[in-house]
Amino acid sequence: DAKTTQPTSMDCAEGRAANLPCNHSTISGNEYVYWYRQIHSQGPQYIIHGLKNNETNEMASLIITEDRKSSTLILPHATLRDTAVYYCIAPPTGTASKLTFGTGTRLQVTL
Amino acid sequence: GAVVSQHPSWVICKSGTSVKIECRSLDFQATTMFWYRQFPKQSLMLMATSNEGSKATYEQGVEKDKFLINHASLTLSTLTVTSAHPEDSSFYICSARNRRAGGGLPYFGPGTRLTVT
Repeated sequence: DAKTTQPTSMDCAEGRAANLPCNHSTISGNEYVYWYRQIHSQGPQYIIHGLKNNETNEMASLIITEDRKSSTLILPHATLRDTAVYYCIAPPTGTASKLTFGTGTRLQVTL
Repeated sequence: GAVVSQHPSWVICKSGTSVKIECRSLDFQATTMFWYRQFPKQSLMLMATSNEGSKATYEQGVEKDKFLINHASLTLSTLTVTSAHPEDSSFYICSARNRRAGGGLPYFGPGTRLTVT
């Protein structure tokens, strides 16, 4: 996997946007960036993924820089239920099923 | 969306006994499933790849004789922790991907918490 670097932890006020950065400077041209999150004592939940273009779904938006060396996951209106560990993953092409998790970012949403 | 279940959700066993954990894909078929282990305050660690109809592939450092994996059907993989010890206490999570072409990303089960006393 391309090495990814994320801040260890972040805080966000409820109702505000949570912007979670991820550095993946060694990513190759055809490797996707995937985001998952894990709420305490649950299995990981898929959020979003992208290659080059920015992506948006009902959960979040993913902004990928033009050089693809970094990306930002945006939760537009964070709620207390978004408190979780967020993982940014960039697996080698063709191995998207075999995901390797780093340490992720622990997002704490507060009142 | 696709659903992956695990059974049991939690189990407590005595040291020296064996424990079987099931992982099922409820509404799709999966030729490949993955087993992860997660210790408190740590990330998920991939243990092995479970292949339907063939032997599992274990990650480096994972004892294949201790963690027996059987993928007997396209919807079921089992992980058996043999001769469990307290250090095997952990959160075990499986994932599965739809076998059909372009089946998308893997879905994860809810996890099984194993406590060995």
